[in-house]
Amino acid sequence: AQSVSQHNHHVILSEAASLELGCNYSYGGTVNLFWYVQYPGQHLQLLLKYFSGDPLVKGIKGFEAEFIKSKFSFNLRKPSVQWSDTAEYFCAVKGENNYQLIWGAGTKLIIKP
Amino acid sequence: GAGVSQTPSNKVTEKGKYVELRCDPISGHTALYWYRQSLGQGPEFLIYFQGTGAADDSGLPNDRFFAVRPEGSVSTLKIQRTERGDSAVYLCASSSGTSGSHQETQYFGPGTRLLVL
Repeated sequence: AQSVSQHNHHVILSEAASLELGCNYSYGGTVNLFWYVQYPGQHLQLLLKYFSGDPLVKGIKGFEAEFIKSKFSFNLRKPSVQWSDTAEYFCAVKGENNYQLIWGAGTKLIIKP
Repeated sequence: GAGVSQTPSNKVTEKGKYVELRCDPISGHTALYWYRQSLGQGPEFLIYFQGTGAADDSGLPNDRFFAVRPEGSVSTLKIQRTERGDSAVYLCASSSGTSGSHQETQYFGPGTRLLVL
């Protein structure tokens, strides 16, 4: 069965620190990969996605993610975080049936001002 | 509308009661999905509609759960004989459904928080 693993459930950083959130998935075939963000009191929003092509994907608000097929990973990065990045971040993989998203458990990110 | 909307935003019910949760997808989106998110977990797939038909209901946990989309737009998730374990946030998402490929983005609504006492 497909699964997604997010390594850290909680991350606390100071403003201007660099961020990397890990995401690994189990599936050997073609994958679509997503990072969604949920700000406090808001609904899930797409941060970035990978379908094909350049494995380094740029998203909104300065976020990027790199797809490393050999490591089954899709880690999220941001060089310098801001207090407004405080949110919960979810990694998701689109499975072989082409529409069902398989989700990680999420990482709660807290940025100290 | 501009985005996916869900009503009610919160629902408190008693064990054994029947509830209906409504989802209004983005206008023109033919694909609609329901997910359930329990506390501390990521969303779990429940059911997927393409148009009026349920293309995949493999995620529905048991026969107490049922969903409809009679006109290919609004969808209703129905839960019979609710149990405390049904307490969760029920999320609805939609996508254009027109590409015929897997390269579509799902757009989510705010969710309905269901609490079964």
